Amino acid sequence: GENVEQHPSTLSVQEGDSAVIKCTYSDSASNYFPWYKQELGKGPQLIIDIRSNVGEKKDQRIAVTLNKTAKHFSLHITETQPEDSAVYFCALLREDKLSFGAGTTVTVRA
Amino acid sequence: DVKVTQSSRYLVKRTGEKVFLECVQDMDHENMFWYRQDPGLGLRLIYFSYDVKMKEKGDIPEGYSVSREKKERFSLILESASTNQTSMYLCASSLLGEGDVAKNIQYFGAGTRLSVL
Repeated sequence: GENVEQHPSTLSVQEGDSAVIKCTYSDSASNYFPWYKQELGKGPQLIIDIRSNVGEKKDQRIAVTLNKTAKHFSLHITETQPEDSAVYFCALLREDKLSFGAGTTVTVRA
Repeated sequence: DVKVTQSSRYLVKRTGEKVFLECVQDMDHENMFWYRQDPGLGLRLIYFSYDVKMKEKGDIPEGYSVSREKKERFSLILESASTNQTSMYLCASSLLGEGDVAKNIQYFGAGTRLSVL
């Protein structure tokens, strides 16, 4: 599948601070970029997505930005809360299949 | 709400056993997927299916096979389990994309943690 690099692999933030996760890719034909959140003991769940014709999308405390020229997209979580602690995966769509990044374990410290 | 149900949360099997992992979805989705999840490697696609009796290899199909006899059910088969197949297995389903990327949202089951001893 398409190679997607995700950084950092772990992220520890103080409650109330922001968290940023970045993914880079190489295939310029990808046109859909979802982010999934996996809580302990559960399967991944879509939290936000962005299409290639849009540069930014926000949904309450989370936002995703896409730079198609530079081939990277990022997840931004503001005012982090304990329930934001989870593993986050970026992904991209290519020929009806998703390729996933390696995941980022986010820990929000109280 | 879409529900994807994996029959077992935990399985322990012996090397050489034939293992069946079952997945059922209740939203009439055309697409179904099997992934394995390993630390530091993310989710890797094993097999997927666009329709009943149809299957396509993903990125890591070696050592696995699948069966889709009914639209709602997608089974992953380990013909002869080996220790390197110890992993978390995730099933997912989605609508058929047909060019509409919104239909490619995948819904995941809770996963089956398989240990092969």
